[in-house]
Amino acid sequence: DAKTTQPTSMDCAEGRAANLPCNHSTISGNEYVYWYRQIHSQGPQYIIHGLKNNETNEMASLIITEDRKSSTLILPHATLRDTAVYYCIVSDKAAGNKLTFGGGTRVLVKP
Amino acid sequence: GAVVSQHPSWVICKSGTSVKIECRSLDFQATTMFWYRQFPKQSLMLMATSNEGSKATYEQGVEKDKFLINHASLTLSTLTVTSAHPEDSSFYICSASTGGRLNQPQHFGDGTRLSIL
Repeated sequence: DAKTTQPTSMDCAEGRAANLPCNHSTISGNEYVYWYRQIHSQGPQYIIHGLKNNETNEMASLIITEDRKSSTLILPHATLRDTAVYYCIVSDKAAGNKLTFGGGTRVLVKP
Repeated sequence: GAVVSQHPSWVICKSGTSVKIECRSLDFQATTMFWYRQFPKQSLMLMATSNEGSKATYEQGVEKDKFLINHASLTLSTLTVTSAHPEDSSFYICSASTGGRLNQPQHFGDGTRLSIL
């Protein structure tokens, strides 16, 4: 069973920031939050991950709430190529770092 | 960095044929590799976890004699679908992780689309 809850879909305007929410209310202390995306007919692409601190890389920012029960992935300037299904996944070493993919959020970036 | 190559990209073959899919980590050593399957309009489902030099661990409901996994080196894992039938047609995706540090992400190949006629 997926341990995260995400909106089924969302639209974003090209050039604007896209904020993708994820709930993981049952997350345990050792579990990391990972974000991946899958563009049609390709393998998933790693975006970012974090434990409790906010993280930023060249692709996105990850904001994790203080209680760690939810997080938000921020794409600062969405482009048409960011159209994809975005997956929020929690995992830890105890689970063999296995990833359980839920339904994800289907993001459509519109011109 | 962290490139995973999967081959072939697609394959079409007759029912009863065995098909081998290769997964290579090109610029890092992968202690652990994972194999997933994805049916149309569905999410990825983990099939098995493969650690270098040991037997793969299969998820519940996945037939180990049907899906043979070999992880003989730190850069190569193979999945062989034995005696494939039309119901085995799917998108097969591998991923690789260094596994050493507990928080290292998995990096995915581009998948193999398998069609059994």
